[in-house]
Amino acid sequence: KQEVTQIPAALSVPEGENLVLNCSFTDSAIYNLQWFRQDPGKGLTSLLLIQSSQREQTSGRLNASLDKSSGRSTLYIAASQPGDSATYLCAAKPSYSGAGSYQLTFGKGTKLSVIP
Amino acid sequence: GAGVSQTPSNKVTEKGKYVELRCDPISGHTALYWYRQSLGQGPEFLIYFQGTGAADDSGLPNDRFFAVRPEGSVSTLKIQRTERGDSAVYLCASSLTGQGVNEQYFGPGTRLTVT
Repeated sequence: KQEVTQIPAALSVPEGENLVLNCSFTDSAIYNLQWFRQDPGKGLTSLLLIQSSQREQTSGRLNASLDKSSGRSTLYIAASQPGDSATYLCAAKPSYSGAGSYQLTFGKGTKLSVIP
Repeated sequence: GAGVSQTPSNKVTEKGKYVELRCDPISGHTALYWYRQSLGQGPEFLIYFQGTGAADDSGLPNDRFFAVRPEGSVSTLKIQRTERGDSAVYLCASSLTGQGVNEQYFGPGTRLTVT
């Protein structure tokens, strides 16, 4: 059974710093990995999706990388801003077919606070 | 275009009551998913629809939970004889299809509180 872990559970940084959020998964047989942002009391906003054949994806100040062989993904946020404060979750989609193959398995998230 | 919408945004019910939670997916998305998120946890998969049929209900915790999608668009998650442990945020997501690379788009969720 796939397990996704995100460390640290919480992170506080001063505005302007570059930072890295970590995501690890136990089963490397994934189809893709998706990073989400969740604001308090809100749903999930998709940030980046990396296919298993890709190494990284970029959107604005965000860059996500994927290393399937080591079971790791990172989300890099450049020049952090107070508006980046939120919980960031990663989720893996399995590459096998059949029952369970359509679901995303989520980590518990990293709660990021960017201090002005 | 409009995103995934869910109603109600909040639902408070008494233990033992029946509740229905509604999800309107993005227009044209054939795949629809329900997840449940408890406090401090990531979302956990409940059920996946491809069109009108429940293609994978392996995440439903027990037979008190049931979901339908009769016309392949709107879906309703139904919970019978609610228990306090059912309190959570119920999230709905949709994607263009369930096959291949299928970026899932989530709604704002329904916060269910069972008293």
